[in-house]
This record gives sequence, C-alpha cells and structure tokens, in this order.
Amino acid sequence: DAGVIQSPRHEVTEMGQEVTLRCKPISGHNSLFWYRQTMMRGLELLIYFNNNVPIDDSGMPEDRFSAKMPNASFSTLKIQPSEPRDSAVYFCASTPQGVSDNEQFFGPGTRLTVL
Amino acid sequence: AQSVTQLDSHVSVSEGTPVLLRCNYSSSYSPSLFWYVQHPNKGLQLLLKYTSAATLVKGINGFEAEFKKSETSFHLTKPSAHMSDAAEYFCVVGSANTGKLIFGQGTTLQVKP
Repeated sequence: DAGVIQSPRHEVTEMGQEVTLRCKPISGHNSLFWYRQTMMRGLELLIYFNNNVPIDDSGMPEDRFSAKMPNASFSTLKIQPSEPRDSAVYFCASTPQGVSDNEQFFGPGTRLTVL
Repeated sequence: AQSVTQLDSHVSVSEGTPVLLRCNYSSSYSPSLFWYVQHPNKGLQLLLKYTSAATLVKGINGFEAEFKKSETSFHLTKPSAHMSDAAEYFCVVGSANTGKLIFGQGTTLQVKP
C-alpha cells in the first residue's frame, strides 16, 4: 500500500496567487482530513470529509480556503488568493469509516511558502 | 468536550537513559488515546494507541504508555533513549462520535550523546 499521497511536496508562490494542494487517501478509507501545521499554532484540523461529503469545516480559516472531494480517491485544498501567513505544512490524513479507534494515516505533507 | 495537555514542551535526555513524556486528557467518556511521532520534515506516524483494552499499551520502537483513568493521564515512556528517538511527539485524544482527533501541542524530545 502506497499510503496517503500528497502533491506537491513543496510549493513556493507569491502573494495573491492561487494554490492547489492535492491528496489521494488510502484505498478503502472513507474519511479524509486536512490539517495545517505551524510553529505558532501547532497542528490544526481544517476540514474533514466522510464519504466525500464535508462534515466539519469549522477549522477553515476564512473564505480564501476551500476544499473539495469529488470522489473517494481524490481531494483538493485550494487557497485563493494566497497570503504570506498561509505559509505552513499542510497534511492530509485518512481513516477507514467505522473504525472505532479513529487511527488516522498521514501523508508526508506539503510545505507551502507564500512570499 | 475533549482536550489533551502535554505537560512539557521540551524534554532533553542522554542516550541510554529513560524517556518520560507526560500527557493528561479530558474526556466525558472513555477515550481513544494515541501517541504520534513526527521526525524532522516528515509526516506523523502512529506510535501506539489505547482503545479501552489493556491499560498498558506497547508501541513501536520500544515505546509504551499506560492509561490511568484515576489520574486522567497517558504518559509515554521508553527505558533507554536512542539518538534516533529525537523528534516531536504528540499526544492525541480521539472522538468516537465525530472521528476527529484532538492534538496536544507537542513535546520536542532531544537526545544527547
């Protein structure tokens, strides 16, 4: 199993540009989570999906952020327009639905730098 | 509401000495508890998990944690630290209702030669 796959691994962009981060969950996993990690705030849950449906997006910082999951094997997190304060590492994680112990499997992350 | 508190932001030990990373949790029902490790510039990896079975949980790389309900604690220990253990460690409580994980702020473990 390839695990959770994220792309790109690194992204450097200029303020005002659109950024799209991608995630492929583990096959058969029905729940997908997007996290952001910064030195100041640690690991924050942005949004999560069950069966491709957004369940809780209360962690999305503002309207510049949006996430989609068009099918069970693909999700995107988009920032438009990007700002320097969005610089962080963004992680995607997945878990099988119905697993009572809630273990999540994390991807390697995308390190985003907004200049 | 559930929450988790890691009592030390930074722990430094010498190689070969014991490791203790402290974690306290708050939960209105029997929680699922985890320890994750993050090595520099890497993703998070599960070390071990507690899900209401045995209170002493053994994980990978010689780590273990003991669930103590009376103390609402889930401290992580290892008898002898290796240089490769230097990393960030997260104590996590899971919500059976929502599937969400609530992360502690993390403890940086430094291992000195």
